[in-house]
Amino acid sequence: GAVVSQHPSWVICKSGTSVKIECRSLDFQATTMFWYRQFPKQSLMLMATSNEGSKATYEQGVEKDKFLINHASLTLSTLTVTSAHPEDSSFYICSAAGQALRTEAFFGQGTRLTVV
Amino acid sequence: AQKVTQAQTEISVVEKEDVTLDCVYETRDTTYYLFWYKQPPSGELVFLIRRNSFDEQNEISGRYSWNFQKSTSSFNFTITASQVVDSAVYFCALKEGSTNAGKSTFGDGTTLTVKP
Repeated sequence: GAVVSQHPSWVICKSGTSVKIECRSLDFQATTMFWYRQFPKQSLMLMATSNEGSKATYEQGVEKDKFLINHASLTLSTLTVTSAHPEDSSFYICSAAGQALRTEAFFGQGTRLTVV
Repeated sequence: AQKVTQAQTEISVVEKEDVTLDCVYETRDTTYYLFWYKQPPSGELVFLIRRNSFDEQNEISGRYSWNFQKSTSSFNFTITASQVVDSAVYFCALKEGSTNAGKSTFGDGTTLTVKP
């Protein structure tokens, strides 16, 4: 299957700072990327959908000014958690889908964010 | 709106027992895709199977088998002769539409513990 690389796999940051998470499709062009958040022992909740070259579409209740998503190229999307707070601590997972991969989106390894 | 229900929150079995994980879904789309993922403690989502709405044929892959029944909107997953390494959280997911832009909705997951 197609490979999606997410970086970093874990990060600890201080409250009030910003953290950037990268999601790269390594062997295909990702026209659409999805960002999910997963709290401990809970399911994956879609945060936003981004299409290359356009603004991301955020799910209801997700603050777009806090979770900045950039999808500037067909192989890279970034999620920036701005002014992070302890309640933002979570597992963030991206997935990527390409035009040639119509039925499936492939997931990155996930990023565990801890805000102290 | 889409919905995926995994009624079993936790299941515990003894090694070599068979176990079935239930998944019931709701969607208004006529074209959709169903997935099962395994999430070990490391957090990475491991893709297990994809099934489209037009293919009700059941599938077997080694010790894994899936039973898709549109009449009951169910997509159940059976592990035969379970092993300790099967211990993980298993998610059923529904992806809408026939394009790669369709977002996925996840069930709450079933935590499977296989005891030696």
